[in-house]
Amino acid sequence: DSGVTQTPKHLITATGQRVTLRCSPRSGDLSVYWYQQSLDQGLQFLIQYYNGEERAKGNILERFSAQQFPDLHSELNLSSLELGDSALYFCASSVVTSGGSYNEQFFGPGTRLTVL
Amino acid sequence: AQSVAQPEDQVNVAEGNPLTVKCTYSVSGNPYLFWYVQYPNRGLQFLLKYITGDNLVKGSYGFEAEFNKSQTSFHLKKPSALVSDSALYFCAVRDMRGNDMRFGAGTRLTVKP
Repeated sequence: DSGVTQTPKHLITATGQRVTLRCSPRSGDLSVYWYQQSLDQGLQFLIQYYNGEERAKGNILERFSAQQFPDLHSELNLSSLELGDSALYFCASSVVTSGGSYNEQFFGPGTRLTVL
Repeated sequence: AQSVAQPEDQVNVAEGNPLTVKCTYSVSGNPYLFWYVQYPNRGLQFLLKYITGDNLVKGSYGFEAEFNKSQTSFHLKKPSALVSDSALYFCAVRDMRGNDMRFGAGTRLTVKP
């Protein structure tokens, strides 16, 4: 168990809908990362938050957004869902030191999103 | 931007034989390199990392990796494979300035009894 929790485990929804995925980082980790894993795209970095502030952006679509709350949990919002958004969505957390980070990330179990 | 390549989609080895999973990287400056393993229906688990120092890094479950700067490689190795090592392995790189980690496409390791 990595200490990172994600809810829900599974989500089935229809095209055009909006969903929210939730992540709680390991105790003490200030940084949260979101990833999308699909068969054709592999593991794609979406976005990083550090202590409530957006820190880095990857291949995140404009239909997707995220935030990190004062208690450090994070939510990933996916809207106007398309069939191609079906994937595993992982959250990870890490300790971030000043000047960049060489610390490993700890991954949650993921949320499997199916868009029908 | 930094990137990694895992040239083999699939690696098959017999139990008890040594295994190697290959990774090459591209980054500006010195790299931070990582290996992760993913078992079915699970998240990624950290195996080991290279930051600086000794080129041979030892990690969890008997795995080790060798950093080779001239060949820009960071191959994962294990002297004697177990059937339970069968999983998907990801190499990842981060540069000293960047905050996002780039993952390779993954290599599926199958260890046969």
